[in-house]
Amino acid sequence: AQRVTQPEKLLSVFKGAPVELKCNYSYSGSPELFWYVQYSRQRLQLLLRHISRESIKGFTADLNKGETSFHLKKPFAQEEDSAMYYCALSGFGNEKLTFGTGTRLTIIP
Amino acid sequence: DAGVIQSPRHEVTEMGQEVTLRCKPISGHNSLFWYRQTMMRGLELLIYFNNNVPIDDSGMPEDRFSAKMPNASFSTLKIQPSEPRDSAVYFCASSSRIAGVANTGELFFGEGSRLTVL
Repeated sequence: AQRVTQPEKLLSVFKGAPVELKCNYSYSGSPELFWYVQYSRQRLQLLLRHISRESIKGFTADLNKGETSFHLKKPFAQEEDSAMYYCALSGFGNEKLTFGTGTRLTIIP
Repeated sequence: DAGVIQSPRHEVTEMGQEVTLRCKPISGHNSLFWYRQTMMRGLELLIYFNNNVPIDDSGMPEDRFSAKMPNASFSTLKIQPSEPRDSAVYFCASSSRIAGVANTGELFFGEGSRLTVL
């Protein structure tokens, strides 16, 4: 079974402060991890994937297999980062994508 | 491309009525997913299809829910009879799967259908 846990439903951060959205997963095989984002009045969309090791909009996420975590980080929050963020997991080569319950991030001006 | 198209955007119905949600995936995509979003449970996968064939329906709550994909450009999710606890936003998503290649994981979502059952 595959499971994703996002412990924070709500997170408020001041503009310019660092952001960290937590994600932990449970999966017996080799996982692929993703972050999806839903901005107000927009569709849910892919933000980044661990396999690409990329930084998107200043966000990065490192897969830590020892801690089974894939936390999303940004050093300096911006107001446009306010959105709903979902962590997601699939098995390697498997298209079934399991999402966490999401974290609503609010950036305080 | 207009992306994944869902209809209706909003549906309000009474308990016991049949509800049909529709989805048109992105042309050329061969996988289609139905998700349900609620405050308490987040995004739950209900069912997904590959090449029009249901692959995993283990997330379908109960027999009141059914989904079909008669062709590559259309899918329906039906609830009969509907109950108040079915109230949620239902998302359809599609992706392009290449056999033998690691999953890119990028699902393209529709705007969702907000269902309210009174």
